Amino acid sequence: DAKTTQPPSMDCAEGRAANLPCNHSTISGNEYVYWYRQIHSQGPQYIIHGLKNNETNEMASLIITEDRKSSTLILPHATLRDTAVYYCIALTSGTYKYIFGTGTRLKVLA
Amino acid sequence: NAGVMQNPRHLVRRRGQEARLRCSPMKGHSHVYWYRQLPEEGLKFMVYLQKENIIDESGMPKERFSAEFPKEGPSILRIQQVVRGDSAAYFCASSADRGGLYNEQFFGPGTRLTVL
Repeated sequence: DAKTTQPPSMDCAEGRAANLPCNHSTISGNEYVYWYRQIHSQGPQYIIHGLKNNETNEMASLIITEDRKSSTLILPHATLRDTAVYYCIALTSGTYKYIFGTGTRLKVLA
Repeated sequence: NAGVMQNPRHLVRRRGQEARLRCSPMKGHSHVYWYRQLPEEGLKFMVYLQKENIIDESGMPKERFSAEFPKEGPSILRIQQVVRGDSAAYFCASSADRGGLYNEQFFGPGTRLTVL
């Protein structure tokens, strides 16, 4: 599975969009990009995943570059409850060993 | 529609004692995974189980640690003769099928083990 790289921390003003980048330059054609978050040491929570196309759900949007070497998770209107550590993971079908790095610690400021 | 349940949420043991951590997967899920998280680190895979079978225990220390997922009842992670280095958060996840695409793992709230 491809290694992913994320900035260690970011701040975002409440109500503004939070854009969290992830580099996965060695990603292979059959690897999906998954995003999870961990709020205050709770269990990781699934957010969204994608392969090539941009994806959107009720929580977030995922923008994947055309070359698939990087992606951005967008929280359109960040709230204080979105303060968490966000993990970007590259997975192939059937992968069960999720490899969590240190992620990005997002702090939403009032 | 309960999610993944873990108990206890907090467990304190003295060195040398045994720790038993329980995990009930989401309804309809037959695949269980255990992860360990040390302070300020990401989660590390320990073991993957299906009912009555250990599929992959490559991330679990060979001594003192064991896991099971019986036909009936929760999955159990057992740590014998705990040491201070075992202090960590232990998370259980479950999936409807083998993990990965469209079979996302759903995580429980974790058990925080403190060894005195």
